[in-house]
Amino acid sequence: DAGVIQSPRHEVTEMGQEVTLRCKPISGHNSLFWYRQTMMRGLELLIYFNNNVPIDDSGMPEDRFSAKMPNASFSTLKIQPSEPRDSAVYFCASSLNVGEKLFFGSGTQLSVL
Amino acid sequence: GNSVTQMEGPVTLSEEAFLTINCTYTATGYPSLFWYVQYPGEGLQLLLKATKADDKGSNKGFEATYRKETTSFHLEKGSVQVSDSAVYFCALRESGGYNKLIFGAGTRLAVHP
Repeated sequence: DAGVIQSPRHEVTEMGQEVTLRCKPISGHNSLFWYRQTMMRGLELLIYFNNNVPIDDSGMPEDRFSAKMPNASFSTLKIQPSEPRDSAVYFCASSLNVGEKLFFGSGTQLSVL
Repeated sequence: GNSVTQMEGPVTLSEEAFLTINCTYTATGYPSLFWYVQYPGEGLQLLLKATKADDKGSNKGFEATYRKETTSFHLEKGSVQVSDSAVYFCALRESGGYNKLIFGAGTRLAVHP
């Protein structure tokens, strides 16, 4: 299996631009998670889905952030408009079932100038 | 709310030294506890886990014991190697519900030859 695939690996954009991060979970996994990692705040859970349905989005920082999972093999995290404080590494992770371990992608390094 | 507290890094050791990274947690009920490791430029990987009090998780020479009386899950290794250099995250999964993990801030370990 190819594991959790995230794209792009790196993204550099200017403040005010729209940013879309993509994730393909491991085939057959029914839970998907978006995390953000920064030096100041560590690893924060933004949102997670179970069977394509958002379960908890309380970690989404503000309305500029949105996430979708239109089908079992694809999810997006969108920031519109982006701000410099959004600069971070964004990780997607998936798991097979409740209680199973998380498999993380390699992350997207986002820099907003 | 539930939380995880780890000792601050970085931890710098010589090869073959003994390693301890402290982790304590606050949680209701009976959470499961985990250690994840992040190598440079990669996503997190599960290192070991324990699902109930007094369980010992172990993997690759690392071990941690779930101590409910002290709400701790300290990571230990008897003899570290340069290849163990990474960031280590302690995490808990709340009892019941979905596979939502709460991570500590991470502890960077640097092992020198």
